[in-house]
Amino acid sequence: QVQLQESGPGLVKPSQTLSLTCTVSGGSISSGGSYWSWMRQHPGKGLEWIAYIYYTGSTYYNPSLKSRITISVDTSKNQFSLKLSPVTAADTAVYYCARGSDSWDFDYWGQGTLVTVSS
Amino acid sequence: QSALTQPASVSGSPGQSITISCTGTSSDVGGYNYVSWYQQLPGKAPKLMIYEVSNRPSGVSNRFSGSKSGNTASLTISGLQAEDEADYYCSSYTSSSTPVLFGGGTKLTVL
Repeated sequence: QVQLQESGPGLVKPSQTLSLTCTVSGGSISSGGSYWSWMRQHPGKGLEWIAYIYYTGSTYYNPSLKSRITISVDTSKNQFSLKLSPVTAADTAVYYCARGSDSWDFDYWGQGTLVTVSS
Repeated sequence: QSALTQPASVSGSPGQSITISCTGTSSDVGGYNYVSWYQQLPGKAPKLMIYEVSNRPSGVSNRFSGSKSGNTASLTISGLQAEDEADYYCSSYTSSSTPVLFGGGTKLTVL
């Protein structure tokens, strides 16, 4: 059973960098056909796809966020990470990591982590 | 880019069937069989319930079924149970600049 767990600061100051890591257990991040993704959900709102990374390092970003995002993978630690900079209050959301497939469905999700952007 | 359109809320009594619609365009729902449905319980992560329009992942009750007609996909829950009360989101691959879109979500209330 694949499990994902997000980690990172819950509070980030405006104009600074949001950094989150997702640790994958119960399976290899290097398995083919898995697109390791980040999504977010603003309070009381719907879901927004942010980006994905393949284990080879290939990435695909949401164009609306592309200029502020960096996503990376560390296969030795079975982890992938998200950096978003600079942040504003509009980036306050629950951030999820998830495993995506070739057909753009997401079958395993982390529990989510609330990141609040505030001074 | 607009989200897929879902009704804000639906309701039903235990034992009944309900259907949640998800309307897109020919660039997303209508153009590809890559529609998924997620159940989100309060304070929890989304759970995949249907993928590729009508397929159920292992472990998901066969009370949940999916279909598509034209630019509208549907999730049907039969034999409604209290535990089905949750928010439901559809998603679809899209040929637009963002590869995946989500619906705005539908709150299911079991009366």
